[in-house]
Amino acid sequence: DIQMTQSPSSLSASVGDRVTITCRASQGISNYVAWYQQKPGKVPKVLIYTASTLQSGVPSRFSGSRSGTDFTLTISSLQPEDAATYFCQKYDSVPFFGPGTKVDIK
Amino acid sequence: EVQLVESGGGLVQPGGSLRLSCAASGFTLSDHNMDWVRQAPGKGLEWVGRSKNKDNSYTTEYATSVKGRFTVSRDDSRNSLYLQMNSLKTEDTAVYYCASYLYGVPYLGGQGTLVTVSS
Repeated sequence: DIQMTQSPSSLSASVGDRVTITCRASQGISNYVAWYQQKPGKVPKVLIYTASTLQSGVPSRFSGSRSGTDFTLTISSLQPEDAATYFCQKYDSVPFFGPGTKVDIK
Repeated sequence: EVQLVESGGGLVQPGGSLRLSCAASGFTLSDHNMDWVRQAPGKGLEWVGRSKNKDNSYTTEYATSVKGRFTVSRDDSRNSLYLQMNSLKTEDTAVYYCASYLYGVPYLGGQGTLVTVSS
């Protein structure tokens, strides 16, 4: 089965910083990749789907992109409310979630 | 509006069984693939199993960790998805969510249901 590795596992950044999180598929996959944000005690929330489509209501500072088997979530200007754990997911044939990236605010 | 509401969780002893339900609304269940996803305490998200849509003959697929013990089924007339869990292990303790994928857009259940496997 195809797996997704995610990096970094955690990061700490300042308000206003540009933050990038990457998921790499173990082989070529479709564009059916989503990014989720989860805050403690809350249900995960979809930010991005089909690799680069912004979910309705999600701030435009979030964006997704693809380069080959690498999928990237970018937060263009980190805000205090963005402190959370972020997960990627491939959801086409056999779904798989990345292990997550915990984002802290310095 | 798409809504997914899970129910049926609880405390069960190791080796026991439990059946989870997911009530779907806002879309026609038979047209779409449906998944169960879980999250153990303090851990990440794990895909559990899938019921494919009517066009794919409702084929099911499972994660290796639950294959042979869990069964995903659906009742399209009730717009409901189910997860029958047998031979439960302590490591199955998690919040269980149902998920749908409507025209490429993922939707996750709004609350999840907690399953605790403990003696």
